[in-house]
Amino acid sequence: DSGVTQTPKHLITATGQRVTLRCSPRSGDLSVYWYQQSLDQGLQFLIQYYNGEERAKGNILERFSAQQFPDLHSELNLSSLELGDSALYFCASSVASEGKGTQYFGPGTRLLVL
Amino acid sequence: GENVEQHPSTLSVQEGDSAVIKCTYSDSASNYFPWYKQELGKGPQLIIDIRSNVGEKKDQRIAVTLNKTAKHFSLHITETQPEDSAVYFCAASSYNTDKLIFGTGTRLQVFP
Repeated sequence: DSGVTQTPKHLITATGQRVTLRCSPRSGDLSVYWYQQSLDQGLQFLIQYYNGEERAKGNILERFSAQQFPDLHSELNLSSLELGDSALYFCASSVASEGKGTQYFGPGTRLLVL
Repeated sequence: GENVEQHPSTLSVQEGDSAVIKCTYSDSASNYFPWYKQELGKGPQLIIDIRSNVGEKKDQRIAVTLNKTAKHFSLHITETQPEDSAVYFCAASSYNTDKLIFGTGTRLQVFP
């Protein structure tokens, strides 16, 4: 158990809908990262927050957004969902930023868009 | 752009044999190289990592080697056991970003 928690474990929804994925980092970790894992794209970095502020952005679609709250938990919002958004979404956390922290991954949220 | 290539994509070994997985990275600014193990239905679990000021690191049956000149790093698992069966991912990041660039994964099967 990495200490990173994610909810829900599974999510089934329809095209065009909007969902929110939640992540609680390990105790003491200030950085939260979101990754998408799909069969054709592999594990891809989406976005990083450090102590409430956006720190780095990857290939995140404009339909996707994230935020980190004062209690350091983070939410990833996916809107106008398409079939191709079906994937595993992982959250990771680390104690620091800028190459100083090891990333520990949560168990993931499996999203299925029908 | 940044890229990490990983080989082989699948690897089958007999219990007790060694397994080697190799990765090559493109960004010369990369200085941190973790390896993750992912079991079915679970998130990636860090098993070992190495920074660019070190050429080799060992933790019991697992070792990682880094050749910065050739931009190669490898995972070595000795005395493999059936519970080592999983998908292994290499990754790289550079000193000024935490963004991990992952390889495409290696499915390791250890047969008893």
